[in-house]
Amino acid sequence: AAGVIQSPRHLIKEKRETATLKCYPIPRHDTVYWYQQGPGQDPQFLISFYEKMQSDKGSIPDRFSAQQFSDYHSELNMSSLELGDSALYFCASSSSMNTEAFFGQGTRLTVV
Amino acid sequence: AQTVTQSQPEMSVQEAETVTLSCTYDTSESDYYLFWYKQPPSRQMILVIRQEAYKQQNATENRFSVNFQKAAKSFSLKISDSQLGDAAMYFCAYRSAQSNYQLIWGAGTKLIIKP
Repeated sequence: AAGVIQSPRHLIKEKRETATLKCYPIPRHDTVYWYQQGPGQDPQFLISFYEKMQSDKGSIPDRFSAQQFSDYHSELNMSSLELGDSALYFCASSSSMNTEAFFGQGTRLTVV
Repeated sequence: AQTVTQSQPEMSVQEAETVTLSCTYDTSESDYYLFWYKQPPSRQMILVIRQEAYKQQNATENRFSVNFQKAAKSFSLKISDSQLGDAAMYFCAYRSAQSNYQLIWGAGTKLIIKP
């Protein structure tokens, strides 16, 4: 069965640079979530989209933005990167007809 | 606001034995969903089991089962016949039934399997 695809899997950026993370949800899933997970921490919700519209917003810094496109894939844009942005970034998708969210393998971002 | 509490930072169990991971939550809603996710060293987040609050029957998935006590707001995970591959961080999570809202996570429990 198709799963949530995230790219890239690993990303190394320097401080003040920009990064773009991509997420391709499971086919026919209409909701995408972005989470940030620091080492030894539980995931922190950043933002979600339902049918290409922002549906919920969490602790997403103003330096970050995200959108969901017509093909339902989503991108998380991160600018002016800081060392503290180093984390595992998960994308998850769900269908409004069901309850569970399925996670991608994550993008490990390292800011140096 | 909803909260999820996992009071056991770490648990260990002998291979083939049974272990129970605790989770409590706080909410004023009557309809919601509860989940257990597993995160092995690969850090992939894997759904283990889910429970709808309106269902009285406890969910079961092979060796994994839950003890859902709605009045007590408790949602424990029982793993039977523990296997080495069960070693992981286990996260309890809550989601409102009102909409496709975000998951509210517990802090996680690290499960160690002793061979």
